[in-house]
Amino acid sequence: GAVVSQHPSRVICKSGTSVKIECRSLDFQATTMFWYRQFPKKSLMLMATSNEGSKATYEQGVEKDKFLINHASLTLSTLTVTSAHPEDSSFYICSAAGRTGLAGGPGYEQFFGPGTRLTVL
Amino acid sequence: GDSVTQMEGPVTLSEEACLTINCTYTATGYPSLFWYVQYPGEGLQLLLKATKADDKGSNKGFEATYRKETTSFHLEKGSVQVSDSAVYFCALISTSYGKLTFGQGTILTVHP
Repeated sequence: GAVVSQHPSRVICKSGTSVKIECRSLDFQATTMFWYRQFPKKSLMLMATSNEGSKATYEQGVEKDKFLINHASLTLSTLTVTSAHPEDSSFYICSAAGRTGLAGGPGYEQFFGPGTRLTVL
Repeated sequence: GDSVTQMEGPVTLSEEACLTINCTYTATGYPSLFWYVQYPGEGLQLLLKATKADDKGSNKGFEATYRKETTSFHLEKGSVQVSDSAVYFCALISTSYGKLTFGQGTILTVHP
């Protein structure tokens, strides 16, 4: 399957600082990337959908000014957690939508990055 | 809207036991169905998928059959191993938007 990387894999920061997480699709062009947040022992919560060259679409309840998403190229999307606080501590996972077929049809799937563990002190 | 319901966990089994994790869904149209696995501290890996009714997805000894009549996609394995211990997520994509809808996840622990 396709490879999606995330950097950093783990970050610890002080309250009030901003943290940037990168998501890269290494061997295919991803017009759409997704950002998820996962709490301990919980399922993934979709935060936003990022389309190359346009503004991200945020899910209800997700603060767009808090979680800044940029998708400047077909292989890179970034999530910046601004003025991070301890309640932002979580596991953040990105995925890239593969253009192997029509979206939703055979061969279409999302390829997930390994995740970034954010701890805000 | 779309939804996925998985059997409640956690599930604890002895090695070589049979596994079934139930998954049912609600969606418009004809969704594609997926099982993802998450090992401790890692992201999600696609385990198997099925894109139309009666398709059977299989991988690493795991199987799931797309049952449109019962709107189900139960995950099965005949003989589990300790290395299968992980969290398993059932999911679907039903629109051209490509947005995944996840179940709540089922924690599986396999003891030697």
